[in-house]
Amino acid sequence: QEKVQQSPESLIVPEGAMSSLNCTFSNSASQSIWWYQQHPGKGPEALISIFSNGNKKEGRLTVYLNRASLHVSLHIRDSQPSDSAVYLCAVRGSALGRLHFGAGTQLIVIP
Amino acid sequence: ETAVFQTPNYHVTQVGNEVSFNCKQTLGHDTMYWYKQDSKKLLKIMFSYNNKQLIVNETVPRRFSPQSSDKAHLNLRIKSVEPEDSAVYLCASSRTGGALQNTLYFGAGTRLSVL
Repeated sequence: QEKVQQSPESLIVPEGAMSSLNCTFSNSASQSIWWYQQHPGKGPEALISIFSNGNKKEGRLTVYLNRASLHVSLHIRDSQPSDSAVYLCAVRGSALGRLHFGAGTQLIVIP
Repeated sequence: ETAVFQTPNYHVTQVGNEVSFNCKQTLGHDTMYWYKQDSKKLLKIMFSYNNKQLIVNETVPRRFSPQSSDKAHLNLRIKSVEPEDSAVYLCASSRTGGALQNTLYFGAGTRLSVL
């Protein structure tokens, strides 16, 4: 079974700073990696995904995937108080496989 | 925009009672799921279901059972709740198939407290 570990457990940054979240997984053949955002009292919502080695940028979000080191990171540029949420990393082991989730990183952006 | 609807939002009950949670999706997806989220935010899949196949996570106790009337609805029944069942139960849906882009769409969850 795919193992997904996230760090740090919590992260506090000032408004306008870069937030960097990390995720490691156990299988280099994993097909896709997703980042989800979860606000209190809400379900997780998909933010961004990556399938190939390298990086992907969408707005203020950038994801870096390094399959050799089994590592993926999410960077949020110009962090806003509204970005405060739990961020979940999810890995799909095969095209038809289920998503395996990490335990999340609690991000707090201080105004 | 919410497209996966769960009821109730909260439920408080006593050990040994039976509870049932409802989930409906309006996305036209073929596959639905139930996840359990513990107090540390860890999500564990309990069931995945489409109109052809039910896949059960083997660690799920037998007192849990999914119930589906059609592909837009997947309810969860717990026959005799235990204190360790206290958690948030999240329903999700996705398209079926091999596309890597298939992601999950979640409802807001049902928070269960067992006294």
